[in-house]
Amino acid sequence: QSALTQPASVSGSPGQSITISCTGTSSDVGGYNYVSWYQQYSGKAPKLMIYDVSNRPSGVSNRFSGSKSGNTASLTISGLQAEDEADYYCSSYTSSSTRVFGTGTKVTVL
Amino acid sequence: EVQLVESGGGLVQPGGSLRLSCAASGFTFGTYWMNWVRQAPGKGLEWVANIKQDGSEKYYVDSVKGRFTISRDNAKNSLYLQMNSLRAEDTAVYYCARGAVTTGYWGQGTLVTVSS
Repeated sequence: QSALTQPASVSGSPGQSITISCTGTSSDVGGYNYVSWYQQYSGKAPKLMIYDVSNRPSGVSNRFSGSKSGNTASLTISGLQAEDEADYYCSSYTSSSTRVFGTGTKVTVL
Repeated sequence: EVQLVESGGGLVQPGGSLRLSCAASGFTFGTYWMNWVRQAPGKGLEWVANIKQDGSEKYYVDSVKGRFTISRDNAKNSLYLQMNSLRAEDTAVYYCARGAVTTGYWGQGTLVTVSS
């Protein structure tokens, strides 16, 4: 049950696009289309941004998109805005019927 | 409106026990998987446990197996986490979250501090 691997930090200027990777194994990310992404502001509860690899919940900006290739999932934020500055976590279902989160990525808007 | 409200956190000595509760409202509680997720101070999210709608299936992260027990009372719209043999590394904010493979709704969390 090792955490999924994410870069510790990613940064970009307003208007740019950034991509956050989430690397697991064939027993989690690569084996199921059950990858989700969460945004978390300091001291607040996480918010669901993407589910089932690439689906956006109602109310989430279409600037957020998700994809997967092999054992690596990705979250792309296009048209970066100051309000996107937060921590982001991926999560996946696993072959043990458990769930695992990523190590987390701090997004900084320059 | 979906609401999840955790309670029961506090300061406990190593080796002690604590029972967390999560009161659910705004949806049909008995039709959803439920989870506990925790976050140690300054650290990332860690999934702890989940439970099927009727309580017939429960899963845990390895680090809490044999020490923590997840349960639910659908008649009371409530989720619980019984935590025994607590360790310093169990210190975290504990969140209640709704969903099977995706958790779309989260409570605001309750802080558990394990310290002498």
